[in-house]
Amino acid sequence: KQEVTQIPAALSVPEGENLVLNCSFTDSAIYNLQWFRQDPGKGLTSLLLIQSSQREQTSGRLNASLDKSSGRSTLYIAASQPGDSATYLCAGPSGGSYIPTFGRGTSLIVHP
Amino acid sequence: NAGVMQNPRHLVRRRGQEARLRCSPMKGHSHVYWYRQLPEEGLKFMVYLQKENIIDESGMPKERFSAEFPKEGPSILRIQQVVRGDSAAYFCASSPEGLSNTEAFFGQGTRLTVV
Repeated sequence: KQEVTQIPAALSVPEGENLVLNCSFTDSAIYNLQWFRQDPGKGLTSLLLIQSSQREQTSGRLNASLDKSSGRSTLYIAASQPGDSATYLCAGPSGGSYIPTFGRGTSLIVHP
Repeated sequence: NAGVMQNPRHLVRRRGQEARLRCSPMKGHSHVYWYRQLPEEGLKFMVYLQKENIIDESGMPKERFSAEFPKEGPSILRIQQVVRGDSAAYFCASSPEGLSNTEAFFGQGTRLTVV
């Protein structure tokens, strides 16, 4: 059974910092890994999808990497802004039904 | 192309009543996933459906909970005889095919409060 862990659970940084969010998973037979953002009281917004054959994906100030052999993915946020404040979740489908298993998220606060 | 639509956004039920949560997937999506998010906890998988079929319901409680995705219309998550512990945010996601090759798109959720 896939287990996903996200570290740190919470992070508070000043505006402008570059930061790394970590996601680790136990089942390396992962098909892909998806990063989401969730604002308080809202749904999940997809940020990046990395297929198992890829090593990284980039979208604007976001860069996500995937290392299946070590069971890890990282989300790199460059030049953080207060608008980046949210909870960031990673999820990867594995197993026969391809059901995504979620980590508990990293709660990020970027203060001006 | 509208996103995944869930309604109602907020639902208040008294203990013992029934709650019906609706999810309309994105156009062209035939796969629907329901998740529950309790306060201070992560998203927990409940059930995975394709049109007229339940593919995986391993995360759904055996009693009081049921889900369907008919040929026409939205997917419905039904909770009978609600209890306080059912209070949570319920999210659905949809995809055009199985998630080995594509990404999931989530709705805004239904926040159920049982009083």
